[in-house]
Amino acid sequence: NAGVTQTPKFRVLKTGQSMTLLCAQDMNHEYMYWYRQDPGMGLRLIHYSVGEGTTAKGEVPDGYNVSRLKKQNFLLGLESAAPSQTSVYFCASSTYRKGADEQFFGPGTRLTVL
Amino acid sequence: GIQVEQSPPDLILQEGANSTLRCNFSDSVNNLQWFHQNPWGQLINLFYIPSGTKQNGRLSATTVATERYSLLYISSSQTTDSGVYFCAVGGGAQKLVFGQGTRLTINP
Repeated sequence: NAGVTQTPKFRVLKTGQSMTLLCAQDMNHEYMYWYRQDPGMGLRLIHYSVGEGTTAKGEVPDGYNVSRLKKQNFLLGLESAAPSQTSVYFCASSTYRKGADEQFFGPGTRLTVL
Repeated sequence: GIQVEQSPPDLILQEGANSTLRCNFSDSVNNLQWFHQNPWGQLINLFYIPSGTKQNGRLSATTVATERYSLLYISSSQTTDSGVYFCAVGGGAQKLVFGQGTRLTINP
């Protein structure tokens, strides 16, 4: 099992450019999440999904869109990148079952917006 | 929303020492996880512990849900234990709220 994988690992964008980050999980988890981590801080939730075709906003959703067309994939889009979106992005997944809803994280994508 | 506070923010120890990291949270939770973020940025799951006590080798954790805190114990520290330790708690819809972390440095 690969667990949670993220593509790409690194990316540099210019202000105003767009891009999509891909997250894939092979654990058949129902729930998937996107977080961002800024220097010296903990992770903050951007968006999450409780199942195929459903998404919801987290703590810091502005400037991002997401889609969950397949159970195993969760996409994070930046339509018009801004320097404030320079960060490390982590994807995670978990089951829905209480008492077993441990979240597992991917390796992260380091994004720099110039 | 739930507030999570970790202490101390920084901890510097010699190899072989023991340490205790604390996580306080402001509301009842149904998920609590401890992570180690290594120097390469990777998040490693240490414990899933919404209540009770667990041990894994030199590491152990205790969560007292009724008093809203969790403790992570590291015994006989090694240089590879260096990094940032995060506590994260979940209230609803399995969403995790992270603390600011404790940066642990183990010197040889």
